[in-house]
Amino acid sequence: LAKTTQPISMDSYEGQEVNITCSHNNIATNDYITWYQQFPSQGPRFIIQGYKTKVTNEVASLFIPADRKSSTLSLPRVSLSDTAVYYCLVGDIQKAGGYNKLIFGAGTRLAVHP
Amino acid sequence: DTAVSQTPKYLVTQMGNDKSIKCEQNLGHDTMYWYKQDSKKFLKIMFSYNNKELIINETVPNRFSPKSPDKAHLNLHINSLELGDSAVYFCASSRDRVGTGELFFGEGSRLTVL
Repeated sequence: LAKTTQPISMDSYEGQEVNITCSHNNIATNDYITWYQQFPSQGPRFIIQGYKTKVTNEVASLFIPADRKSSTLSLPRVSLSDTAVYYCLVGDIQKAGGYNKLIFGAGTRLAVHP
Repeated sequence: DTAVSQTPKYLVTQMGNDKSIKCEQNLGHDTMYWYKQDSKKFLKIMFSYNNKELIINETVPNRFSPKSPDKAHLNLHINSLELGDSAVYFCASSRDRVGTGELFFGEGSRLTVL
């Protein structure tokens, strides 16, 4: 199973762009990269998912280099409400039961300051 | 309507007691999970059920017994509670077909064992 490594914590200020990088050196060919966000006292919430290159949605962008050994979650112009823990996961979700292999690491605790 | 709902949200009990946490999802998903989040915020999968069949049991003590009466419900019963069982327990669900790797989490049940 692919293991992920992320910074334990990051600090930013309102209006800045935040980039959180995740390392997954032993990612498998069929693995996708998924990011979740967790606010205090809530369950994790899906943010974005990708396989290669760049993916963008209304919340974030995900940059994945050609070797796929890392990925970067980019949050544009963060606000105080983006203060949360962000988890990077890798796993093969393109087959039945693949979700069962998704493993959450320690995550990155992002603190956004005024 | 809440997609994945858990009850109770808070549970305080004494060591040695038996308690249950209930989970229901109204998303029509085939697979449900129980995760445990400890004080260090690590999220660890405990069990996974697919269409009422247990498919993952991550070396959880047999004091923990999941029960799935139907694919929309997954309950967690814990016997002889210990101090180390204090944690937040999250229920989640997913479509068990090829598709997006999105897990839908409940809001968590905080268990405190005294």
